[in-house]
Amino acid sequence: AQKVTQAQTEISVVEKEDVTLDCVYETRDTTYYLFWYKQPPSGELVFLIRRNSFDEQNEISGRYSWNFQKSTSSFNFTITASQVVDSAVYFCALSEVLSNYQLIWGAGTKLIIKP
Amino acid sequence: ETGVTQTPRHLVMGMTNKKSLKCEQHLGHNAMYWYKQSAKKPLELMFVYSLEERVENNSVPSRFSPECPNSSHLFLHLHTLQPEDSALYLCASSQEGLAGVTGELFFGEGSRLTVL
Repeated sequence: AQKVTQAQTEISVVEKEDVTLDCVYETRDTTYYLFWYKQPPSGELVFLIRRNSFDEQNEISGRYSWNFQKSTSSFNFTITASQVVDSAVYFCALSEVLSNYQLIWGAGTKLIIKP
Repeated sequence: ETGVTQTPRHLVMGMTNKKSLKCEQHLGHNAMYWYKQSAKKPLELMFVYSLEERVENNSVPSRFSPECPNSSHLFLHLHTLQPEDSALYLCASSQEGLAGVTGELFFGEGSRLTVL
């Protein structure tokens, strides 16, 4: 069974629109970590955020925000006022004790921002 | 020097060739990783090296052979590959390794491999 689900394979929006990327995870651990990474066309994945399971506070960093809800096992990522440079593939990942903390990745969401 | 560098960026090889991918990290990390990225699939962890100890994904075929001569360099030796091995191979490093990934991974730009 997939442990990290990114149901949106591809999203296309026009610049300046807000967009939310969904991430749903499964774990039996009480201690775990959730991550978002960005992969621009150049190829290297870039770390965006890490959240531990004991911290459900939402996080905002500039135009980026993350909504962590344990009740729905979701860790969604919103980009406000999107820009063309936000075009990339975005990955959600989970690390948990049961998997010896090795990262379990979602399949990624390709985000296209049209000018 | 960028944090994690991979060479070559692109590689085309026949099924009978032997080639190697190289990765170098300049971050002082003690763990290095090889990942395989195929289209529309989750990243697949192939190998982890931490302080010269190796952990591998048992589903990785023996035609992929890693080598980690020191904490800064990582190789992936390729021999008698199959067309389905065509993918982007990503190298990463981190401060942790076998103890688990609770921190940040730093990735290279990848080596795009095409097997004919």
